[in-house]
Amino acid sequence: RKEVEQDPGPFNVPEGATVAFNCTYSNSASQSFFWYRQDCRKEPKLLMSVYSSGNEDGRFTAQLNRASQYISLLIRDSKLSDSATYLCVVNLPDYKLSFGAGTTVTVRA
Amino acid sequence: GAGVSQSPSNKVTEKGKDVELRCDPISGHTALYWYRQSLGQGLEFLIYFQGNSAPDKSGLPSDRFSAERTGGSVSTLTIQRTQQEDSAVYLCASTLHPGTGNYNEQFFGPGTRLTVL
Repeated sequence: RKEVEQDPGPFNVPEGATVAFNCTYSNSASQSFFWYRQDCRKEPKLLMSVYSSGNEDGRFTAQLNRASQYISLLIRDSKLSDSATYLCVVNLPDYKLSFGAGTTVTVRA
Repeated sequence: GAGVSQSPSNKVTEKGKDVELRCDPISGHTALYWYRQSLGQGLEFLIYFQGNSAPDKSGLPSDRFSAERTGGSVSTLTIQRTQQEDSAVYLCASTLHPGTGNYNEQFFGPGTRLTVL
């Protein structure tokens, strides 16, 4: 079983729509969680950290469910510029980050 | 300030040749990571350095792969006798505060796109 699993998508949504997707992780000892964004043929960049109580950053909302071992990302009022691959990232106890394969989102005009 | 830099940005080589990939982390970052990303795939962890030592080499695919870091800064990933399946983007990342429970954003370099013919 992979350490981090994501629905690859693609999620194809119109501008202004809300899109949400999850990832699951297998190591219950994981302590830190992140969403990274990767544009086509570019390096990944941190989008936001995910805190236990859930957190928002503008149009982006991240939530963590430790009991079920999943993390979610919701994008409200989506923009064309939100089109990217979103990587779910989990900090394993041995300092290593484990990356999901990514969820592709395409926002169309 | 300067981010993580990698060189070369692109490398085309013939099967069987050795290649050397370089990573310059952000100044002061103690931890350095190498990943590999094949087309349409997620990031595959290769090796992690804390300072000059590599506590975790578990991701290196074979003994043709090796890496070193000198002076707690620049790192070199070497692939000997390259094979076509080594073709991928090799990404380097550095972080200031490695460790569980800490905020340890990894800053990535632009990657080296390796093509083995």
